[in-house]
Amino acid sequence: DAKTTQPTSMDCAEGRAANLPCNHSTISGNEYVYWYRQIHSQGPQYIIHGLKNNETNEMASLIITEDRKSSTLILPHATLRDTAVYYCIVRSSGAGSYQLTFGKGTKLSVIP
Amino acid sequence: DAGVTQSPTHLIKTRGQQVTLRCSPKSGHDTVSWYQQALGQGPQFIFQYYEEEERQRGNFPDRFSGHQFPNYSSELNVNALLLGDSALYLCASSSPTSNSPLHFGNGTRLTVT
Repeated sequence: DAKTTQPTSMDCAEGRAANLPCNHSTISGNEYVYWYRQIHSQGPQYIIHGLKNNETNEMASLIITEDRKSSTLILPHATLRDTAVYYCIVRSSGAGSYQLTFGKGTKLSVIP
Repeated sequence: DAGVTQSPTHLIKTRGQQVTLRCSPKSGHDTVSWYQQALGQGPQFIFQYYEEEERQRGNFPDRFSGHQFPNYSSELNVNALLLGDSALYLCASSSPTSNSPLHFGNGTRLTVT
């Protein structure tokens, strides 16, 4: 699976949009981009995933560039409960690739 | 609808002992994966079980073994515990479709003294 690069930490004001970037320049055609977050002392929580088109759900939006070498997770109105470590993961859709490879993620702090 | 449940939540063991951790998958899921998360690090893949067999394994020694039962629940066993095995052990479940997201439990915090 391709590697990802994320900033170590970011701050966001409460009520504003949080935009978390991720670089995955070596992504291949059959690899999806997944986002998870982990709030302190809890297990990772699935947020969203996509292949090439932008995706939106009740939690967030995922914007993937046309060349698929980078993506941005958008939390439209950040709250204090969104403070967490956010992981961007590239995962193959091919048979035999069942694991998620986590990096160190981005620690997002939402400031009152 | 219960999510992934793990037991116990916390455990303290002595070096050299053996430990068994348990996981019940989310309703409708039949695939279980185990991850180890050391303090300050991202989770690391241990192995995955499907149809009661180990399907893929990460870079962990044979001291780490697992089992999946017919009801899809799973156990993680660690023998001859080392101090370095102290970590949060996470269980994740998914359905068998190739892009099904993994859903994680809140983990078992294992401390080896």
